[in-house]
Amino acid sequence: DGGITQSPKYLFRKEGQNVTLSCEQNLNHDAMYWYRQDPGQGLRLIYYSQIVNDFQKGDIAEGYSVSREKKESFPLTVTSAQKNPTAFYLCASSKLAGGHNNKNIQYFGAGTRLSVL
Amino acid sequence: QKEVEQNSGPLSVPEGAIASLNCTYSDRGSQSFFWYRQYSGKSPELIMFIYSNGDKEDGRFTAQLNKASQYVSLLIRDSQPSDSATYLCAVNMVGGSNYKLTFGKGTLLTVNP
Repeated sequence: DGGITQSPKYLFRKEGQNVTLSCEQNLNHDAMYWYRQDPGQGLRLIYYSQIVNDFQKGDIAEGYSVSREKKESFPLTVTSAQKNPTAFYLCASSKLAGGHNNKNIQYFGAGTRLSVL
Repeated sequence: QKEVEQNSGPLSVPEGAIASLNCTYSDRGSQSFFWYRQYSGKSPELIMFIYSNGDKEDGRFTAQLNKASQYVSLLIRDSQPSDSATYLCAVNMVGGSNYKLTFGKGTLLTVNP
């Protein structure tokens, strides 16, 4: 059963705590992405990775960190430096074509809803 | 600042009518355009994608692209209450090897029985 799995579905963070959100895909996709969505807002890109052991900052990377040690996995850590972490976090992946093909069809996991205690 | 703009709505249409959702984008070099549907509390799901000027039809959905006007739209024919959701427009605004998408804030569609 192919897809993108995010866990946990709900997560609570205490002040000063780092928390890690999991994202795993078995679609053999090259690229993976993390987005944040706030109520009534669109998706904002946090980090993305096109290849193992390489990743780039998106538009709102401050207070977050990622790793890409395996093609299938792209965990996101919300650090204590992120002062307003309450949001819906979405992981996506896409298959990258060669050359200048920018089709980049992104598919999303079910999301993790993070709240602050 | 490269932007994707959508009317936030809500857009309300009666069941069976045509719903028209619009999106404009600022980067004339954009190449790929996507429409996602997002039900309340759920993650986005891909509805349509379009790369060339003109219309692309898939069942009750039609995507329309006009690169000269930097405008992409989504038409939903014979709207059903199950179409009630937020529709997100996404644009690949940078060419070459950059695969980022920029999303609009979404348009909330309500289809009334």
